Amino acid sequence: QQQVKQSPQSLIVQKGGISIINCAYENTAFDYFPWYQQFPGKGPALLIAIRPDVSEKKEGRFTISFNKSAKQFSLHIMDSQPGDSATYFCAASIMGGSEKLVFGKGTKLTVNP
Amino acid sequence: EAGVTQFPSHSVIEKGQTVTLRCDPISGHDNLYWYRRVMGKEIKFLLHFVKESKQDESGMPNNRFLAERTGGTYSTLKVQPAELEDSGVYFCASSSSREQYFGPGTRLTVT
Repeated sequence: QQQVKQSPQSLIVQKGGISIINCAYENTAFDYFPWYQQFPGKGPALLIAIRPDVSEKKEGRFTISFNKSAKQFSLHIMDSQPGDSATYFCAASIMGGSEKLVFGKGTKLTVNP
Repeated sequence: EAGVTQFPSHSVIEKGQTVTLRCDPISGHDNLYWYRRVMGKEIKFLLHFVKESKQDESGMPNNRFLAERTGGTYSTLKVQPAELEDSGVYFCASSSSREQYFGPGTRLTVT
C-alpha cells in the first residue's frame, strides 16, 4: 500500500511554462511535506517543504500548495527552465519517533528549450 | 560545510558476496538515515540512527542487512550474502531537525 501517491510519472513542459506535480496522502498524522529535486547521478536535494498549518509556501519560482481537507499537496514551478529538468519527489513524515520520510514514486520533468 | 558523503559510488558484486556501504553524515548531525530505491519504485526507508543507537529499523528487509554507527559518526550498511533483489541505489541522509540532507547514493548491482 503506497502511502504517498504522486502524479504524473513524467511531464514535458516548454520553457517558460508552468510545471505542476501532484501528491496525495492517506495518513492524517503526516505533518511535514518536503519536495526533493534529483539530478542524474546525484542524491535528492531538499527543495521546499510545508507544514499543514499553511496552505501555500513560495520560494522563488517554486510554490507548494497544500489542501489539508483533500489530503493533497502540489508543487508548482513557474517560468520553467531547461535547468529545472530533473526528477522530483514528494514526501511526508510524522513528528516524533524516527520522522522517516515516506516518498512518492517521483516525476521526471523535462523542460524543452 | 561538507555535505553527506557515501562510498563507494558504484559497486558490482556477484550473488552470495558481501558488500559494505559507508556513509559520512554532515558534521554535528545526530540523525542518520538509510534509504533504498529499487529501479522503478519509490525511495524506501531502511533505518534510522540517533547518534550510535538504532531508533527505528522497521524498514530493513531481512537479517542479511546489518547497519552500524560506531561512535555516532559514520555509518556502514553491510549486505551479506547479497541477493539479486538487493540491487538498487542506497541513499544515506542526515539531519539535525526535520530537514534531511541526502548523499549522492551508492548504486549496488548484484549479478
